[in-house]
Amino acid sequence: DGGITQSPKYLFRKEGQNVTLSCEQNLNHDAMYWYRQDPGQGLRLIYYSQIVNDFQKGDIAEGYSVSREKKESFPLTVTSAQKNPTAFYLCASSIDGGRQPQHFGDGTRLSIL
Amino acid sequence: QKEVEQNSGPLSVPEGAIASLNCTYSDRVSQSFFWYRQYSGKSPELIMSIYSNGDKEDGRFTAQLNKASQYVSLLIRDSQPSDSATYLCAVTGGRDDKIIFGKGTRLHILP
Repeated sequence: DGGITQSPKYLFRKEGQNVTLSCEQNLNHDAMYWYRQDPGQGLRLIYYSQIVNDFQKGDIAEGYSVSREKKESFPLTVTSAQKNPTAFYLCASSIDGGRQPQHFGDGTRLSIL
Repeated sequence: QKEVEQNSGPLSVPEGAIASLNCTYSDRVSQSFFWYRQYSGKSPELIMSIYSNGDKEDGRFTAQLNKASQYVSLLIRDSQPSDSATYLCAVTGGRDDKIIFGKGTRLHILP
């Protein structure tokens, strides 16, 4: 079955620690995205990538980093510079990043220990 | 600043009635319009796409687009308790092809 796999489902971060959220897709989509969702809030774009080895900052990129070394994979690192990382993180992909819809993974819920 | 506006709700609708969800957008040249359903604690799921003016029906769902009024709506017929969720409107194909999500409308179907 084609889809988007995010792991882990739950993640806990200690003070001063970097953590990496995994996102893998087998839909052969060119574009991939990371969003953050806080309770009762909408989606906020962190980073997006429309092609391998290229990515752009979204609206709230500070404290986060990404890489896109393979078409299938778009990992997100939440660095220690992100002082309020507790949120629901959603990875999405779309065929071409233009006028086609995005499809979402199941999400990773990150909390502070 | 391009925007997609939705009433946050909650919108309460009796079971079996029609639920009507509305969305307005600011970028006049937008081309593609989507509705997503998000259950509490889950990720958004695409339920409807619409690209041209008029109505598009899929089962109990009908999406309506009026580009002149910059307005897109979602009708849910014969509402069921399982339709209780947050519905996100998304718009893309504007001047920079970036997708913009509304903040969502919470729908509550009353048994």
